[in-house]
Amino acid sequence: QKEVEQNSGPLSVPEGAIASLNCTYSDRGSQSFFWYRQYSGKSPELIMSIYSNGDKEDGRFTAQLNKASQYVSLLIRDSQPSDSATYLCAVSREGYSTLTFGKGTMLLVSP
Amino acid sequence: DTAVSQTPKYLVTQMGNDKSIKCEQNLGHDTMYWYKQDSKKFLKIMFSYNNKELIINETVPNRFSPKSPDKAHLNLHINSLELGDSAVYFCASSQYSGVTSQGTGELFFGEGSRLTVL
Repeated sequence: QKEVEQNSGPLSVPEGAIASLNCTYSDRGSQSFFWYRQYSGKSPELIMSIYSNGDKEDGRFTAQLNKASQYVSLLIRDSQPSDSATYLCAVSREGYSTLTFGKGTMLLVSP
Repeated sequence: DTAVSQTPKYLVTQMGNDKSIKCEQNLGHDTMYWYKQDSKKFLKIMFSYNNKELIINETVPNRFSPKSPDKAHLNLHINSLELGDSAVYFCASSQYSGVTSQGTGELFFGEGSRLTVL
């Protein structure tokens, strides 16, 4: 059973703080990792992808991958109220024709 | 111009009825998907099509029948609707099918179709 685990939250942080979202996965064959953001009532949208161990930065977002620990995280620096959403971790593996999603972590950023 | 579009956005219907949701993508992608998101927001794969061929059917009841007339379209027909079918159904597309080392790449989602079965 391929599983992607996330803490459902909510994770509450004050505006300007760093939000840290975590995800673990069970399938060691996973090779592609994605973070999607989903606002309430909207569709998921991709914010970060990461394929190799280490950090990948894009603006205020940093994705971190550790394949040995089967762990991927998303850091959001200088959190804004507009970052309040559910963040979905998704993984895929070679030869498997879809992404497997975690249940998402709700992030609440208070002004 | 919307990349992945679904219609209708909302369906309200009675148990036992049949309904269809249509999806079209203009991204030139080879692979399309149906995902179901339940009330707890869990997004779960239902079907995956690559160039009109079914490649994934994730233990979905056979009341659900996808059809792909061409690689830009993927429709979902649901027979004999049940209360538990109430959910948001998302269509998505990706450039790759996942069967190569490239994986699927990014998924692009439609806006979702909220189905309510009374």
